Amino acid sequence: AQSVSQHNHHVILSEAASLELGCNYSYGGTVNLFWYVQYPGQHLQLLLKYFSGDPLVKGIKGFEAEFIKSKFSFNLRKPSVQWSDTAEYFCAVNARTGRRALTFGSGTRLQVQP
Amino acid sequence: DTEVTQTPKHLVMGMTNKKSLKCEQHMGHRAMYWYKQKAKKPPELMFVYSYEKLSINESVPSRFSPECPNSSLLNLHLHALQPEDSALYLCASSQAHLQDRGGNEQFFGPGTRLTVL
Repeated sequence: AQSVSQHNHHVILSEAASLELGCNYSYGGTVNLFWYVQYPGQHLQLLLKYFSGDPLVKGIKGFEAEFIKSKFSFNLRKPSVQWSDTAEYFCAVNARTGRRALTFGSGTRLQVQP
Repeated sequence: DTEVTQTPKHLVMGMTNKKSLKCEQHMGHRAMYWYKQKAKKPPELMFVYSYEKLSINESVPSRFSPECPNSSLLNLHLHALQPEDSALYLCASSQAHLQDRGGNEQFFGPGTRLTVL
């Protein structure tokens, strides 16, 4: 079974600071990778996804993530955060074969201070 | 239309009540999901329907009963719930549960916040 680890549980940044949120997964086969965001009081929205091809993936709102297969990692980055980026961020994995349900990491709460 | 809708937004029920949560999508997706999310926790998968058939039940207690009347609708029937069942219940849909080249991007609804007294 796959599992997902998000190392940072709570991150506090000032506006314009750079962001990197860690995500590591555990699964022996091929996976699809996702980052979802949940703004306060709102539903889960997809930030970006990786299926194949270029390991550097660009998403909405200036976010990007890099898939490093050798490290089983899919870290989320943004060069300059804004107060509106305050939200909960979830990394998720979906195995390509076998059980194909989405498995979420524990989440990282990002707080951006103006 | 890339929206998943859920009703009601909020629900308060007693432990002896019977209620239902509803979810609808019109994206032509053939996989639909129920998740449970407790405060400050990630969503936990409960059920998966693929082509209107139940394909995954994550050992969910029988007091939760899913139903997929057609490809656009997903219900979750609730009966004799416990206070610890209070949570945000999320519905999601995706193009297909079985893997295709596009992967399994799931679109989430806003959820129903359930309180069991």
